[in-house]
Order: sequence, then structure tokens, then C-alpha cells
Amino acid sequence: QVTLKESGPVLVKPTETLTLTCTVSGFSLSTVELGVSWIRQPPGEALEWLGNIFSIDSKSYSSSLKSRLTISKDTSKSQVVLTMTNMDPADTATYYCARMFGEGRLNWFDSWGQGTLVTVSS
Amino acid sequence: QSVLTQPPSASGTPGQRVTISCSGWGSNIGSNIVNWYQQFPGTAPKLLIYSSTQRPSGVPDRFSGSKSGSSASLAISGLQAEDEAHYYCASWDDSLNGVVFGGGTKLTVL
Repeated sequence: QVTLKESGPVLVKPTETLTLTCTVSGFSLSTVELGVSWIRQPPGEALEWLGNIFSIDSKSYSSSLKSRLTISKDTSKSQVVLTMTNMDPADTATYYCARMFGEGRLNWFDSWGQGTLVTVSS
Repeated sequence: QSVLTQPPSASGTPGQRVTISCSGWGSNIGSNIVNWYQQFPGTAPKLLIYSSTQRPSGVPDRFSGSKSGSSASLAISGLQAEDEAHYYCASWDDSLNGVVFGGGTKLTVL
């Protein structure tokens, strides 16, 4: 059974750096054609893709947030880490990690974590 | 403002067939597959349609997807009360080199 679970702080202050961890089970982060993406959803708003990392350690980031994002993985721990710098109240959202099946242009999110709400406030 | 355009709302009565549109551009839907996700309030999205027309195991065949040019549609036939949810389309964008989502459509079963 494939599962993903996000963990990290529920509250961060403006200008701080957010670090979220996605712990996966039921699949390996070294499996070809499988990756993990981060997606966020502000309260009452639409989904927004942040970026992804694949088995060969290739990464893609949202062009609008690229300068603030870093995604890394520890295959031995089955964990993917998202860091986002210079947090702003506009970054308040539920952050999801999702398994991405397929690489490049042919991909979809076939399993999702439950999400974690991160609030940015002083 | 989302890259892909969906109507903010749609509705139908039980048993009806409803369709939800998703409009994009040549750099995304026009060149790539479309995926659809279903999201109930307070829960994570769930994959509903992948590769424009394919249903994952466990998704009822009442749900179907299609794509033509730079637009795609999700059709739900035999509408049921439990179909009331938000629906999102998504595609890869070659210009942005990333995944783009639609703004979501809230489906209400009257």
C-alpha cells in the first residue's frame, strides 16, 4: 500500500525558512518513473504545483517560486524534503506531497499525502 | 490566476450527465496529456482520470475524460449525490517546464 505523510511546523514567522518532510512507504524513491511532487493549496483556493524530484535526482521547480525552493531526498530514509525560504503570509496553505508517476511530460499524481496546513504569521 | 481555465461551478440533478471543461494552450493541453483530480472538503485530492481518458482502478466508469486540441472535458454520467466535490484539471506545460492546474470546479448535486 502506497502512503505519503507530510510533517513539519504548523506555524512559521514571516521571513523564516519552511522545511517540510514527506515520508513515503509502499514504494522506493529509487524506482524509475516514480517521483515525488510538492503541491500547495491556500485556504479556499486552487492547487498549485511547487516542484518535484525523481529517482535519478532530477528536479523541476515552479518558475514563479524557483528562487525560494529546494527539494531533496534521502532514499535510505524514504523521505523527500521541501525547503522554502523567506516565507510570507501569502504562503499560508495546505502543503501536500504526492507520488508522481511518469517522467517529463507524461506524468500524473497517483497517490497523495493527507496534507499539512502551514500558517505564516508573526 | 490559473494557467488552465475551468468554470468555477457546475451543477446537475441525480441521474443527469454533467461535463466540466478545462481550457488551455498549445504549450500545455495542446501538447500533453490531461489529468483530473477529485477533492472533497478537508481531504486530499484523488486521481480521477489520467492520460486524458484513462480511469485508475476503482474509479467508476461513470467518469470519463476527453481531449481535443487545447481543451479537455470531464464527463460524469448518472450523477450521484456523492459526486459533489471540487474537480481540478492538470497538465504539463512545456513553456513553464512544470505542472499547471486549473482553478477548480465545484460540482453541486441539486
